[in-house]
Amino acid sequence: GEDVEQSLFLSVREGDSSVINCTYTDSSSTYLYWYKQEPGAGLQLLTYIFSNMDMKQDQRLTVLLNKKDKHLSLRIADTQTGDSAIYFCADGPGNNRKLIWGLGTSLAVNP
Amino acid sequence: EAGVTQFPSHSVIEKGQTVTLRCDPISGHDNLYWYRRVMGKEIKFLLHFVKESKQDESGMPNNRFLAERTGGTYSTLKVQPAELEDSGVYFCASSPRLGGANVLTFGAGSRLTVL
Repeated sequence: GEDVEQSLFLSVREGDSSVINCTYTDSSSTYLYWYKQEPGAGLQLLTYIFSNMDMKQDQRLTVLLNKKDKHLSLRIADTQTGDSAIYFCADGPGNNRKLIWGLGTSLAVNP
Repeated sequence: EAGVTQFPSHSVIEKGQTVTLRCDPISGHDNLYWYRRVMGKEIKFLLHFVKESKQDESGMPNNRFLAERTGGTYSTLKVQPAELEDSGVYFCASSPRLGGANVLTFGAGSRLTVL
C-alpha cells in the first residue's frame, strides 16, 4: 500500500534554515502537502505542490519535489522559535480523495 | 469565518462504553472528513462525506464505528462499544473544493482515551 516516511526529529538554532524531508511510494500522487501542528491545535495546511512542479516558494517556505526519487522536502528559512511544531508530509490524488500521511517531524528551534 | 469545531476535546471512557464525537465544519463546506491518529502511528483516513452522503468509508476500522452527517451540516462519529485500541486523536476536516488540491481545514481534534 501507499506509504509516506519522514524523520521523526529535527533540531535547529534560531535563524538557521530547517530542512524536513519526506519520501513517498505512491506513483499516482497528484498533490503533496505539508501540514503543521502546534501544541493543542489542529493541523494547519502550510503549502502544497502539484506533482508536475519541481519547486514552490512561499515567503520563508520552499518546497522541492523530486518525482523520480519520490522525495519531497520543506525548507524553512530563518527559522524562528514560533516554527517549533510537528510537520506532516501527506500525499494524495486530489479531487477530495483521502490523504496518506507520514508520522510527522518534530521541529525544535533552540534560541 | 468560524473554523472547524470538534467536541469534546478530550473524552475518557471505560472499555465497553459508548462515545459520540461531534464535528461542526465550516459553513458551506460540502466535504467533511474524519481522520484518526493512534499514538505512535500515522494519521489514518476514516471516511469522507459529501454533504450527507458517505463518499468513501474505506478507512472505518469495523462496525463498532458509525458516522453520520444528517442534513449535510455537522457530523457525529460514534464508537460503540469502545475498545482499548480505539484510543487516539480523532480529527475532523472540511473542504469546499470539488476538485484540485485537497485544501482541508482541520479541527483541533478530539482525544479519546479508553481505559
